[in-house]
Amino acid sequence: GENVEQHPSTLSVQEGDSAVIKCTYSDSASNYFPWYKQELGKRPQLIIDIRSNVGEKKDQRIAVTLNKTAKHFSLHITETQPEDSAVYFCAPGYSTLTFGKGTMLLVSP
Amino acid sequence: DGGITQSPKYLFRKEGQNVTLSCEQNLNHDAMYWYRQDPGQGLRLIYYSQIVNDFQKGDIAEGYSVSREKKESFPLTVTSAQKNPTAFYLCASSRAERETQYFGPGTRLLVL
Repeated sequence: GENVEQHPSTLSVQEGDSAVIKCTYSDSASNYFPWYKQELGKRPQLIIDIRSNVGEKKDQRIAVTLNKTAKHFSLHITETQPEDSAVYFCAPGYSTLTFGKGTMLLVSP
Repeated sequence: DGGITQSPKYLFRKEGQNVTLSCEQNLNHDAMYWYRQDPGQGLRLIYYSQIVNDFQKGDIAEGYSVSREKKESFPLTVTSAQKNPTAFYLCASSRAERETQYFGPGTRLLVL
């Protein structure tokens, strides 16, 4: 099965800084690479995703980059705001998703 | 997300009791999924269904059962065989296999 690792497990930044979270995976068949944001006690919500035929995708302050050869993809958040504070999960997959253990991002004002 | 509902929000189970968690969607999605989330952990797949009257085991299916008699509904039963059922249970659906998954609000199950 798929083995997924996220780094770092926690990340503290100052408001306005950039944040980068990296996800490595083991299954070369994975072709879908989403990132979810989960606030405390709430449901995970998709913030951005990418498919294997694309190397990078950007949506305002959020971007995802994919290196399929090295089997990793990263979430980039620029100009961080306190409301970005949450747990972020990567979930690479093919027919089903395998979630990483999550990265807790804390943005201090 | 608003098209996926789960009930109840909180559920209490006594020892030896089976309980059923409800998941309904009005998004006309073919695929539905059940995940379990433990504190400080990621989501683990319990069961999934890509079409009515068919479902497959996920990574942690032992002690759980599901049915998919209608496209809109995918109930999860936590049986007495599941020895550590306390967790946050999340249902998700997607238009089809390999499409984006959208989550319901979750059910928090506690053992008395």
